[in-house]
Amino acid sequence: GAVVSQHPSRVICKSGTSVKIECRSLDFQATTMFWYRQFPKQSLMLMATSNEGSKATYEQGVEKDKFLINHASLTLSTLTVTSAHPEDSSFYICSATAQETQYFGPGTRLLVL
Amino acid sequence: GIQVEQSPPDLILQEGANSTLRCNFSDSVNNLQWFHQNPWGQLINLFYIPSGTKQNGRLSATTVATERYSLLYISSSQTTDSGVYFCAVPQISGTYKYIFGTGTRLKVLA
Repeated sequence: GAVVSQHPSRVICKSGTSVKIECRSLDFQATTMFWYRQFPKQSLMLMATSNEGSKATYEQGVEKDKFLINHASLTLSTLTVTSAHPEDSSFYICSATAQETQYFGPGTRLLVL
Repeated sequence: GIQVEQSPPDLILQEGANSTLRCNFSDSVNNLQWFHQNPWGQLINLFYIPSGTKQNGRLSATTVATERYSLLYISSSQTTDSGVYFCAVPQISGTYKYIFGTGTRLKVLA
């Protein structure tokens, strides 16, 4: 099956700093990638759709200035959490589609102190 | 928007037991996937099953699209089956913008 990687796997940062998370499709090209957020013991919530070469589309209630998404190539999408605060602490997961199937990255655990 | 409910929310099994997990969705869909999220958070594809029945080893899944539900069967459960099972369907038909179900948290005891 297709492989999606994320980096870093976990990050701890101070409140007010920005954190960049990378999502890569390793063995296929993805014009569209998706970013999800998951709080402990809850389901995944779709945050935004990352579109290669164009602006991301955000789900209702997701601040686009807080969560900056850049899809610079067919294999890389980045999510930047700007001016992070403790309430941004969460598990962030990206996904991409290959052959009608969604493949997910291993996730990034963000802890903002 | 479409709602996706899963049952039961929690399940504890003795190793070797069988189980059935259910996914109900509120609107017609053309796509459905089942995932297993392991204790480290990794989501693993189990089935892409918009309709019909599929089997993969000890796991099988059935989707009855006309009745808006899907079932995941786990036979002869093992401790490594522990984790959370999610079904997901497109938020918008024809896209891969998935909305995830509420999940079933499974614990298999040795």
